[in-house]
Amino acid sequence: KQEVTQIPAALSVPEGENLVLNCSFTDSAIYNLQWFRQDPGKGLTSLLLIQSSQREQTSGRLNASLDKSSGRSTLYIAASQPGDSATYLCAVWGNNNDMRFGAGTRLTVKP
Amino acid sequence: EAGVAQSPRYKIIEKRQSVAFWCNPISGHATLYWYQQILGQGPKLLIQFQNNGVVDDSQLPKDRFSAERLKGVDSTLKIQPAKLEDSAVYLCASSSTFGAYNEQFFGPGTRLTVL
Repeated sequence: KQEVTQIPAALSVPEGENLVLNCSFTDSAIYNLQWFRQDPGKGLTSLLLIQSSQREQTSGRLNASLDKSSGRSTLYIAASQPGDSATYLCAVWGNNNDMRFGAGTRLTVKP
Repeated sequence: EAGVAQSPRYKIIEKRQSVAFWCNPISGHATLYWYQQILGQGPKLLIQFQNNGVVDDSQLPKDRFSAERLKGVDSTLKIQPAKLEDSAVYLCASSSTFGAYNEQFFGPGTRLTVL
C-alpha cells in the first residue's frame, strides 16, 4: 500500500528566504506526482504535475523535482512571500489507479 | 470556465442524523471524485465515477456512506447515520476523463461537524 510522507509538518520562514519542502513515497511504481496548495477553508489548487518520465517541472518561483527510484520529491520555493503562506500537499498516482496524498506541510512566511 | 461547485459549505449535525452533500463538476468533465479530509491529514479518496458508473469505491464505508451520479453530471454523497469520526471536509474533484494523466480540479469543500 502506497504511503506518502511530508516533512516537515510545519515550517516558518522570514520573507525572502528560499525553502524546500520534502515528500517521500514508499512505492516507486507511480504514474505521476502532483504538488497542491491549500488555503484555509478552500479547496486544493494544483501547482505542478510531474509525469513519471520527468525529473522536474518549473512554474515561476516554484520548482518541483522527482527521483522515482528513491521515492522522493522536493518543492523548491524561491524568494518566499507572505502570500505563499498555505498548506502544501503532495500526491502520487500509483498502480491502484487512485491518488494518495501526504498530510501536508503548513508554511508560514513572516513579513 | 466555472470551477467545481459544492454545497453546502458548512454543516453541523448530531450523531446518528443523516446528511447529504452536492457537487457540480466542471462542464464536460466525465470523471468525478469524492475525498474525505480529516483535520491535519491529507485527502483520502472515497469514490470515483466515470460518467454515471462507479470506477472505484473500495475506500467508501458502505454501511453508512452512499454516493450517486445519476445523469453523469451532478453527484450527491450521503452519510446515514453519521458518527463523530465523520467530522471532516468533504472535497469533490473532477477531471476531463479517467486516468493518471488528467489533472484533477477541486471544489472548495463541505466542512461537516458531527456533535
